[in-house]
Amino acid sequence: ILNVEQSPQSLHVQEGDSTNFTCSFPSSNFYALHWYRWETAKSPEALFVMTLNGDEKKKGRISATLNTKEGYSYLYIKGSQPEDSATYLCAFHLSGSARQLTFGSGTQLTVLP
Amino acid sequence: KAGVTQTPRYLIKTRGQQVTLSCSPISGHRSVSWYQQTPGQGLQFLFEYFSETQRNKGNFPGRFSGRQFSNSRSEMNVSTLELGDSALYLCASSLGGSSSNQPQHFGDGTRLSIL
Repeated sequence: ILNVEQSPQSLHVQEGDSTNFTCSFPSSNFYALHWYRWETAKSPEALFVMTLNGDEKKKGRISATLNTKEGYSYLYIKGSQPEDSATYLCAFHLSGSARQLTFGSGTQLTVLP
Repeated sequence: KAGVTQTPRYLIKTRGQQVTLSCSPISGHRSVSWYQQTPGQGLQFLFEYFSETQRNKGNFPGRFSGRQFSNSRSEMNVSTLELGDSALYLCASSLGGSSSNQPQHFGDGTRLSIL
């Protein structure tokens, strides 16, 4: 059974603050790590798919890093805005398992105006 | 480009009944995956279809089944419904193929309630 852990479980920050959260996953047989944003009453939206150790990806104020050797990924949000409020999910893809993503439970971010 | 469409959006059933949920992927996407989310749980993988074949199956009982049609539309069926099957069922599509470094595109889900 694969274990994908996300921390913290929830987070409240003030508008303008920068924040980050962690996704931990098994370091063996790594294939890909996905990040999704899930806003209330909407469907999950893909942010990044990362495959290489040391990968860094950026989309606007959101960026992510990947360390496959130690099994973690960080998601950073710079200058948080209320519209960033959402649950951020990471999902691990094990090598050899055709498109079976194992999701973490998510980090619920609330940005207070 | 139309997104992933799931029908129905909401469904109420009673224990023992069966249900069929439908998913139409983004045009050109050949892979369809199904997930279940229950309160307090993350998204749990049910199964994935590609070119009408089930490629992978999660750890769910045989009451959960699915299929994919030649136009890539997919259905999932749950028989002999139990109270614990109350959940949000999400479908996601992607281009598919052997590469899995493609993001999945999710529908809005079907919320199933079992009375």
